[in-house]
Amino acid sequence: DGGITQSPKYLFRKEGQNVTLSCEQNLNHDAMYWYRQDPGQGLRLIYYSQIVNDFQKGDIAEGYSVSREKKESFPLTVTSAQKNPTAFYLCASSIGGGREHSDTQYFGPGTRLTVL
Amino acid sequence: AQSVTQLDSQVPVFEEAPVELRCNYSSSVSVYLFWYVQYPNQGLQLLLKYLSGSTLVKGINGFEAEFNKSQTSFHLRKPSVHISDTAEYFCAVSDWGAGANNLFFGTGTRLTVIP
Repeated sequence: DGGITQSPKYLFRKEGQNVTLSCEQNLNHDAMYWYRQDPGQGLRLIYYSQIVNDFQKGDIAEGYSVSREKKESFPLTVTSAQKNPTAFYLCASSIGGGREHSDTQYFGPGTRLTVL
Repeated sequence: AQSVTQLDSQVPVFEEAPVELRCNYSSSVSVYLFWYVQYPNQGLQLLLKYLSGSTLVKGINGFEAEFNKSQTSFHLRKPSVHISDTAEYFCAVSDWGAGANNLFFGTGTRLTVIP
């Protein structure tokens, strides 16, 4: 089956700890994205990557970090610098590579992070 | 910058009744428009998208949307809703030729279908 997987589905961490959220896709997509979802606020872009070994900050990158060492993987680290990390995190991917202006993003099932 | 407004945060509707979820966007350039659906504690699933051509776009699950450039709107409609349509719906717009396909989302509309 082709798709995007995120693990774990639920994650609990103590305040002040860094935590890494996994995102893997087997769609052979070049572009990957991380969004944060809070109630009543829709989705906000944290980071995105158009190609391996390259990534850019989105609208709310402060307190987060990413890496893109492999095409299929785009892990997100929520650092202790993130003031309000409790949220639902969604990963997405698209064909990317500038080949298609109508590039559609496909989403994973999400990870709900709760910081205690 | 792009922005999307979903005027209704919650829409209750009786089963088998028609529904319209409103979406307006602001943009000075041509855009691509999307509607996504999210079921509780799940990711987003693409319902439909407008890229070009016919302004009436048909999607999955019997939904359709009409692109109106003069009104800068992309309202989502379904002639007869089912209980299983209860979910949150997000409208999104992307830049054309921005070099990266960044989506800008509205704040969502929660559709509740009442038996």
